[in-house]
Amino acid sequence: NAGVMQNPRHLVRRRGQEARLRCSPMKGHSHVYWYRQLPEEGLKFMVYLQKENIIDESGMPKERFSAEFPKEGPSILRIQQVVRGDSAAYFCASSPVTGGEAFFGQGTRLTVV
Amino acid sequence: QQQVKQSPQSLIVQKGGISIINCAYENTAFDYFPWYQQFPGKGPALLIAIRPDVSEKKEGRFTISFNKSAKQFSLHIMDSQPGDSATYFCAARGTNFNKFYFGSGTKLNVKP
Repeated sequence: NAGVMQNPRHLVRRRGQEARLRCSPMKGHSHVYWYRQLPEEGLKFMVYLQKENIIDESGMPKERFSAEFPKEGPSILRIQQVVRGDSAAYFCASSPVTGGEAFFGQGTRLTVV
Repeated sequence: QQQVKQSPQSLIVQKGGISIINCAYENTAFDYFPWYQQFPGKGPALLIAIRPDVSEKKEGRFTISFNKSAKQFSLHIMDSQPGDSATYFCAARGTNFNKFYFGSGTKLNVKP
């Protein structure tokens, strides 16, 4: 009964490159949330997805960031043309139904050099 | 506008003492209030959660107290241990909302 799986755990990108972060929800979970955490700070909501649908993307920056959760496969958070300010830990959480408990993965730590 | 306000920012407690972390919210549509524990380099782990139809929930050494009229809830850690040293986040979500709103976190240090 694996938990929420995120990969890679650590990702280093040069400025201007693309970063792809993957999240496989817990078995039976069809809802995925993405959060960003800066060092010594709290969790900032980015986007909420169900299978094949973006439900709420009010926390996503308007440019360079996108997310998807296809019918098959993991959810992907994509950051194009990364900048130093994108360096952070990105966490994914999943829940079985709307209103259910949410469980987090171990995160992907993105470093932009 | 911060939906969930958490205090204190940091807390030092002696081993065996009681750790108390407080959160307050404004939106009366919230109806689910979890607490998460996060160790350095790890993801937040669900610790305990409460719904507003009860005023208290206890699981082992961890207790949530909930005051619906005051729109406040708190986490109490009894017999605090050095292994409890971590950052704790409160959160809130409503049935009509799609996301959790998190507090800013409390860094707990339990001294041996």
